[in-house]
Amino acid sequence: EAEVAQSPRYKITEKSQAVAFWCDPISGHATLYWYRQILGQGPELLVQFQDESVVDDSQLPKDRFSAERLKGVDSTLKIQPAELGDSAMYLCASSLVGDASYEQYFGPGTRLTVT
Amino acid sequence: GQNIDQPTEMTATEGAIVQINCTYQTSGFNGLFWYQQHAGEAPTFLSYNVLDGLEEKGRFSSFLSRSKGYSYLLLKELQMKDSASYLCAVVDSNYQLIWGAGTKLIIKP
Repeated sequence: EAEVAQSPRYKITEKSQAVAFWCDPISGHATLYWYRQILGQGPELLVQFQDESVVDDSQLPKDRFSAERLKGVDSTLKIQPAELGDSAMYLCASSLVGDASYEQYFGPGTRLTVT
Repeated sequence: GQNIDQPTEMTATEGAIVQINCTYQTSGFNGLFWYQQHAGEAPTFLSYNVLDGLEEKGRFSSFLSRSKGYSYLLLKELQMKDSASYLCAVVDSNYQLIWGAGTKLIIKP
């Protein structure tokens, strides 16, 4: 069964350092989402891609976060510089189309700890 | 604003039945999802309701009342592996997904 791949699974970094996460969606899924999830809360959408284009990045802290999906397949989310408050689970999800009424398939996530 | 309310935590006994409620106030409605999330893992799809009524899928059922802005997830014959968080998410009028904070379900033997 096809899965969304993410790496690394765990990352510990010091504040002010740069960190990057990678996501490879299910083959053929045009829509890719990056979420941040703080313990005890629901996922918060950071950015949504349709193919290589950004559809929604209204909640992305653009002073320190950036995301790209250059060839419309895999994607990278970067934080520079990392802050203590960035400690969270970063989830990548994909779906066939950009309509949110379609099921999203999630990767295993990257657990980020900023010290 | 948009709001989804779920109980923070619930406790139930193995073999029993539990109902997890979700109420929502959103700008429009185009469907409601339930996802299961085990601790430290990613959410996995359980159900999707867009019309009023009950959808049954094995031990899990999901109910929707659009007029009341209300849904519930019913879990029967509880097993220890059902211990997880259950997330309610609503598709709004812009086809964006609005997530609740989740309900942590604890199953006791």
